[in-house]
Amino acid sequence: GAGVSQTPSNKVTEKGKYVELRCDPISGHTALYWYRQSLGQGPEFLIYFQGTGAADDSGLPNDRFFAVRPEGSVSTLKIQRTERGDSAVYLCASSSMTGTALGYTFGSGTRLTVV
Amino acid sequence: KQEVTQIPAALSVPEGENLVLNCSFTDSAIYNLQWFRQDPGKGLTSLLLIQSSQREQTSGRLNASLDKSSGRSTLYIAASQPGDSATYLCAVFPGDDYKLSFGAGTTVTVRA
Repeated sequence: GAGVSQTPSNKVTEKGKYVELRCDPISGHTALYWYRQSLGQGPEFLIYFQGTGAADDSGLPNDRFFAVRPEGSVSTLKIQRTERGDSAVYLCASSSMTGTALGYTFGSGTRLTVV
Repeated sequence: KQEVTQIPAALSVPEGENLVLNCSFTDSAIYNLQWFRQDPGKGLTSLLLIQSSQREQTSGRLNASLDKSSGRSTLYIAASQPGDSATYLCAVFPGDDYKLSFGAGTTVTVRA
């Protein structure tokens, strides 16, 4: 596609529920990143994919968070047993190569609210 | 660990004034620096990317400078307009890693 697409744009869920957030990167971009942005702060790194594999998941806060990218294109971030502290904007970005000089392209984000 | 600081946190100016937004970073070993714009409830839009070998980049009314040795970048927005109201984030890319380190942003309000 022309840009990075994230769905849904907004998600409200009850504490303890499971959610999935989807990211559709720019066609042909091999690198995909997930970031989380809490209110009033800059985005923080969660996980990085190069192709189908998670090259670095060191930013995932705990084992309730998991992400996949089975075919090297679309990625899904999964959160189990959601907590109120998980409320944030989840941003996805893609780039054409690792260590790119071209910069990242970000999606519009998914605003997750856990009530 | 790279620390990125943006000052001021918020800025309000009358229309037509020039804007000066500051970004500082603690580790000068960066590959590039990127400025983003974020509208309320939206994602990030890339404004300018400066390679570590460059000193500045310009796009329309926007100009960003980079002084790697002192760990600073400045975003200038000339002749501000109400449509420039947004949060501006700077992010550094370390090069030996792939994770962007972001500042917390400067929220700009341009009054008509």
